[in-house]
Amino acid sequence: QVQLVQSGAEVKMPGASVKVSCKASGYTFTNYYIHWVRQAPGQGLEWMGRINPDTDVTNFAQQFQGRITVTRDTSISTAYMELSGLTSGDTAVYFCARAVIHGGHFDLWGRGSLVTVSS
Amino acid sequence: EIVMTQSPATLSVSPGERATLSCRASQSISNNLAWYQQKPGQAPRLLIYFASTRATGIPARFSGSGSGTEFTLTISSLQSEDVAVYCCQHYGGWPRTFGQGTKVEIK
Repeated sequence: QVQLVQSGAEVKMPGASVKVSCKASGYTFTNYYIHWVRQAPGQGLEWMGRINPDTDVTNFAQQFQGRITVTRDTSISTAYMELSGLTSGDTAVYFCARAVIHGGHFDLWGRGSLVTVSS
Repeated sequence: EIVMTQSPATLSVSPGERATLSCRASQSISNNLAWYQQKPGQAPRLLIYFASTRATGIPARFSGSGSGTEFTLTISSLQSEDVAVYCCQHYGGWPRTFGQGTKVEIK
């Protein structure tokens, strides 16, 4: 079954970091980019960054530069997104999504991981 | 950054009637546009890519059109299961950005 399975919900203190995982199955992991998109409560979708699992090349949105890290482990077909310096504004559902190499649309999404930042 | 603007914010349509949603890009993105449907508590689902190509398994009542800066998603005959938020997303440059969404409800 083609799917992306994400890690569970997390509660973090302000200033902490969170690492969300996204495990791919049912397809060749290195043939598609993995993107990270977040959605704050009641808000729209916000693109954060992507990784090419084959080359390990990453791109990030300017607003996350310096505090986002995206990595992958091809041996277990898993991508990771780590966000540091958390504030209440980072409370959101974090999605991973697959994108075709020659295109940019997201044809497969994980179910999302809720990250709550609260003291 | 390319800004995606959707209208209207909310659309009320009677069952069986046509729903027309708009998405405008702040600069030309050719046909590098996707539409997604999102229901409460769920991940977005790809409906349309390259502005007019239906994704696998998407009913024929969903269609997309446009190029450059103006795009339209049409639901030809609204069904109750189509109640959702619809958003557009460009991939004509970096960063990728999404529209703020149009909420479609049953009148």
